[in-house]
Amino acid sequence: DSGVTQTPKHLITATGQRVTLRCSPRSGDLSVYWYQQSLDQGLQFLIQYYNGEERAKGNILERFSAQQFPDLHSELNLSSLELGDSALYFCASSVGNRVMTEAFFGQGTRLTVV
Amino acid sequence: SQQGEEDPQALSIQEGENATMNCSYKTSINNLQWYRQNSGRGLVHLILIRSNEREKHSGRLRVTLDTSKKSSSLLITASRAADTASYFCATYFGANSKLTFGKGITLSVRP
Repeated sequence: DSGVTQTPKHLITATGQRVTLRCSPRSGDLSVYWYQQSLDQGLQFLIQYYNGEERAKGNILERFSAQQFPDLHSELNLSSLELGDSALYFCASSVGNRVMTEAFFGQGTRLTVV
Repeated sequence: SQQGEEDPQALSIQEGENATMNCSYKTSINNLQWYRQNSGRGLVHLILIRSNEREKHSGRLRVTLDTSKKSSSLLITASRAADTASYFCATYFGANSKLTFGKGITLSVRP
């Protein structure tokens, strides 16, 4: 158990809908990272938050947004969903702003858009 | 775009044999990390090597880093069926604060 909790584990929704994925980082970790994993694109970095502030942005679509709350949990909001958004979404956390040791990954949320 | 490119894409070996996986990357790094992922589950950190290090060991794992060639290798010795998983190299560059993963290597260890 990595200590990173993601909910829900599975999500099935229709095209055009909006969903929210939730992540609770490991106790004491201030950074949260979101990744999307699909068969054709591999693991794509979406966005990083550190202590409530956005620190790095990757290949995140404008339809997607995220935030980190004062209690350090994070939410990834996906809107106007398309079939191609079906993927595994992972959250990871690390102690500091930089991954100079290791990142701890949650078990992921499997999103299926139908 | 992917920073790390693993090679081979798939590897099948017999239990007890050694498995060698390679990773090449394109830009400067602060460190390189290897992760394992069992089917459909979260990634688990295996080992980290800093840019000023050339070799590290952890149990049955040995990782090397050649910054002049921008490449790394992960050796798993005396493989076990439980080592069957996907393995990813990830590069970290502090200037853009990104941990960037390759597409992964699928390792199958036959009992």
